[in-house]
Amino acid sequence: NAGVMQNPRHLVRRRGQEARLRCSPMKGHSHVYWYRQLPEEGLKFMVYLQKENIIDESGMPKERFSAEFPKEGPSILRIQQVVRGDSAAYFCASSPEQRTETQYFGPGTRLLVL
Amino acid sequence: AQSVTQLGSHVSVSEGALVLLRCNYSSSVPPYLFWYVQYPNQGLQLLLKYTSAATLVKGINGFEAEFKKSETSFHLTKPSAHMSDAAEYFCAVSRPGTASKLTFGTGTRLQVTL
Repeated sequence: NAGVMQNPRHLVRRRGQEARLRCSPMKGHSHVYWYRQLPEEGLKFMVYLQKENIIDESGMPKERFSAEFPKEGPSILRIQQVVRGDSAAYFCASSPEQRTETQYFGPGTRLLVL
Repeated sequence: AQSVTQLGSHVSVSEGALVLLRCNYSSSVPPYLFWYVQYPNQGLQLLLKYTSAATLVKGINGFEAEFKKSETSFHLTKPSAHMSDAAEYFCAVSRPGTASKLTFGTGTRLQVTL
């Protein structure tokens, strides 16, 4: 059973470009969470999605950030017009339908904005 | 609202010595509590979790933690440190009963010396 997969593992963008981060949850998991880890800080919740629905986006910046989890395919975190402050590690986690208390984390995507 | 405080951003122990990483939480409802470990440039791995069953929780790699409601604490311990335990450790809290977000502490970096 493969774990949570994220790609790319490393992403370099110039200011003003778009960044697309992908997350494939573990097989059988229908809950997906995105977290951001700034340098030397803990993880901060961004958004929680189920298939085709955003459940909680209280941690998402109001502008430039969006997330989706379509019926088919991976979850996507999209950052438009990136700025240097967006440089961080972005982690995806998933949890199963029934046992919802444990989240399983992917290896993360490390975004560097030049 | 929930929050987690991890006292000590850096802890150094000798190999074979006791490991004690501190975590205090704040929650308006009985919480679920977690300890995760992060090795350099990797994702988070679940060490152990408290979900309102036994207050003393045993996890992987010889770690354990005790939930103390009166002290609002969930400290992580290991009787004898090993060099491979050197990593960043995060305490996290969530609301039970829902597939809700994790709120993380700022992390404690554990160094193990010879």
